[in-house]
Amino acid sequence: DAKTTQPNSMESNEEEPVHLPCNHSTISGTDYIHWYRQLPSQGPEYVIHGLTSNVNNRMASLAIAEDRKSSTLILHRATLRDAAVYYCILRQNYGGSQGNLIFGKGTKLSVKP
Amino acid sequence: DAGVIQSPRHEVTEMGQEVTLRCKPISGHDYLFWYRQTMMRGLELLIYFNNNVPIDDSGMPEDRFSAKMPNASFSTLKIQPSEPRDSAVYFCASSLGKIAGGSTDTQYFGPGTRLTVL
Repeated sequence: DAKTTQPNSMESNEEEPVHLPCNHSTISGTDYIHWYRQLPSQGPEYVIHGLTSNVNNRMASLAIAEDRKSSTLILHRATLRDAAVYYCILRQNYGGSQGNLIFGKGTKLSVKP
Repeated sequence: DAGVIQSPRHEVTEMGQEVTLRCKPISGHDYLFWYRQTMMRGLELLIYFNNNVPIDDSGMPEDRFSAKMPNASFSTLKIQPSEPRDSAVYFCASSLGKIAGGSTDTQYFGPGTRLTVL
């Protein structure tokens, strides 16, 4: 499985934008980039995913490099509730069927008031 | 929808005892996943079902672990006999499908069961 590399931890101030990087230099052409996050004492929750183009939803934006070897999750205005571990996951595409979620260590985001 | 429901939320048991964890997936979801989370190993997939049939159990640690899905709305993960190294948080998740790139493969996780084996 293609691997991802994320910083262990990041800090942000409340109401400021946060850019969470993810390197995936061995990504294959059909791998999707998924982001999940895990709030303290909760199960992981889906944030966003993309293949080649940048993606936006109500939670975040995903910026994907042109060569797809890296991506950045963007939280436009961090709130205290965004403090969580963020996981960047590559999901292999087996002829249209999605591979399993393989969680790495993720980035622990702290948000200061 | 109530989301994925897991019970119990906390379980404390003694080594050698049988432990049964329960999960109710989101109604209509065809896929059900069991994960385990520890500080040492992070989040690991144990097994997943499609339409109540186990598809991939390669993550199940050993024969002491077994999982069943008797119907579309209920699954169990059983550990017999339990050992202290089984102490972890066990998550159940479900998804509508598994089609690459679509929204149907988004996994929805339950709140987890924190298991402590003394």
